[in-house]
Order: sequence, then C-alpha cells, then structure tokens
Amino acid sequence: GENVEQHPSTLSVQEGDSAVIKCTYSDSASNYFPWYKQELGKRPQLIIDIRSNVGEKKDQRIAVTLNKTAKHFSLHITETQPEDSAVYFCAAPLAGSGNTGKLIFGQGTTLQVKP
Amino acid sequence: GAVVSQHPSWVICKSGTSVKIECRSLDFQATTMFWYRQFPKQSLMLMATSNEGSKATYEQGVEKDKFLINHASLTLSTLTVTSAHPEDSSFYICSAPPRGGTEAFFGQGTRLTVV
Repeated sequence: GENVEQHPSTLSVQEGDSAVIKCTYSDSASNYFPWYKQELGKRPQLIIDIRSNVGEKKDQRIAVTLNKTAKHFSLHITETQPEDSAVYFCAAPLAGSGNTGKLIFGQGTTLQVKP
Repeated sequence: GAVVSQHPSWVICKSGTSVKIECRSLDFQATTMFWYRQFPKQSLMLMATSNEGSKATYEQGVEKDKFLINHASLTLSTLTVTSAHPEDSSFYICSAPPRGGTEAFFGQGTRLTVV
C-alpha cells in the first residue's frame, strides 16, 4: 500500500529564515498531495496542496514542489514567523482509493521558529 | 471552504462504557467520511471509511466490533467506541471530502479520555 515518509521530525529555525520539509511517497498513481498545519489540540488545517499536473505551487510565503519521477514533494516556508510554529503533515491518497480524500499521513514535522 | 463539525470536542468516560462521536458536514453532502485516530505527538492514523448507505470499511488492525460506525445520512457519520478502555484514550478526528472531491475537510476533533 501507499507509504509516506516525512523528514525531518523536528526543525528549528530563526525567525526570518526559510524552512523546508520533505516527503516521499510510494504509489505512482497518487496525484494529489496536501500539506497540513496542526496546532496543539486542534484540527489539521490545509495550507497548500498540489496536483500531479504541476511541479510547483506558491501561496505567499508558502510553496510546494513536486517531483513525480522521484516521488517526492516538499514544503517551503520563507520568511518564517513565530506563528508558523506548529506540526506540519504531508499526505497522499491511500493506494487504490482513487484520490477520493482518503489520505495517509507522514509522520509529522515539529517546526519551531525562534524569535 | 467546506465546514465539517464534530461533537463533542472532548469527553471523559469510565472504563467499560461506550461513547458516541458525531461528524457532520454542514454545507455539503458527503457520501464518504473518514475517521482517524491521533495519539499524542504522533501522526493521524486512518481507522475506517464511513460509507453512506453501506457498511464501513476498516483498516487493518482496527476492530470493527469495538469501533462502530454508522453513516446515517449524507451529512452525518457517527463513531461509537464501545467498552472503552484507557488505551482507547486518544484524539479522534473525522474528515469528509465533498462529493466527487479530493480535498479532505477535518472536524475539530474529539479528545477522548477513558478513566
């Protein structure tokens, strides 16, 4: 089945620096890759997603890149701010689920942005 | 975006009792909803898929007789944790994609504590 690996598990950066989180997936049929931000005790919030027909997508300080050949995708946060501190999860559709919202999640990355 | 509401936000119950958690899609219809469990400092693990009008499908290792799922309508799915034990204490989160959609919208989550 689908397997999603996420690295690093923790990331500490200085305010204003960039942060990059990487994920790899195993199912070559996957075509939807979301990134979620989760604050303590709260629901995951979708921050950006990418579909397999594009290689990069940007939304202000956040960008996601996708390499379908290598089966990996990355989250890039520029000009980090303390409020970016949270746990970030990548996800991919479960193998055979038909990309219907049934997701398998990476292990999560705890991002700490130091003021 | 679409709104998914989950109730209750938190619940404390005694060992051996059952607890019901509701997941509602407020402004869209969802033929499918997903239930996840998240232990502290861990990722979201898919438990089961709730299907309107048919039986739920469970992921490997999830006991269907312990975690009863009922998808009563196109906007409501319920998860009942039966004969709860302390090891069932966790954060339970539902998600629902709008019909035909890929993006998953999450409920607020339910913090279950079994004492």
